Amino acid sequence: EDQVTQSPEALRLQEGESSSLNCSYTVSGLRGLFWYRQDPGKGPEFLFTLYSAGEEKEKERLKATLTKKESFLHITAPKPEDSATYLCAVFEAGGGNKLTFGTGTQLKVEL
Amino acid sequence: DTAVSQTPKYLVTQMGNDKSIKCEQNLGHDTMYWYKQDSKKFLKIMFSYNNKELIINETVPNRFSPKSPDKAHLNLHINSLELGDSAVYFCASRDEGDEQYFGPGTRLTVT
Repeated sequence: EDQVTQSPEALRLQEGESSSLNCSYTVSGLRGLFWYRQDPGKGPEFLFTLYSAGEEKEKERLKATLTKKESFLHITAPKPEDSATYLCAVFEAGGGNKLTFGTGTQLKVEL
Repeated sequence: DTAVSQTPKYLVTQMGNDKSIKCEQNLGHDTMYWYKQDSKKFLKIMFSYNNKELIINETVPNRFSPKSPDKAHLNLHINSLELGDSAVYFCASRDEGDEQYFGPGTRLTVT
């Protein structure tokens, strides 16, 4: 069965203090790895899709990378508005078109 | 325009009651999903429909019955509600590029 593990569970950063979130996965055949952002009381919001090891994608202060075993979400010079829960999910080849989510990293960026 | 909408936003009910949650998407997608997010923020798939046909049923109790009257709508009916059904339920739709777009969620509280 697919397994997705995210670390750390929670992270507090000062504004401008860069860091990385980790997503480790175990699937028999990765079709895609997704990053979502979830604000309190709202649904997950799509950020990135990565399909193959070595792929990188960027959006503003966020950069997602992928290896054969894990993905990182790098946050450069974060701002308080980056505070949210970041969810990682995998889409398995032949997995019936379903996403398997990790438990998320709750990020808080303070002034 | 809201892409994926759900009603109601909040639902408080007593054990044993039957309730429904409605979902509509105006994105023209063929595939829709129901997810359950527990108190620890873990998001788990329940059902998936493709063009009104059930394609994923993730060992959900048969008290839960999804219904898709057309490909833009996916409703969730729950019979004989139990305390453990309390959670946030999210509807999502998927485009051809595998990206899923989530609704705002329905917070169900069973007392």
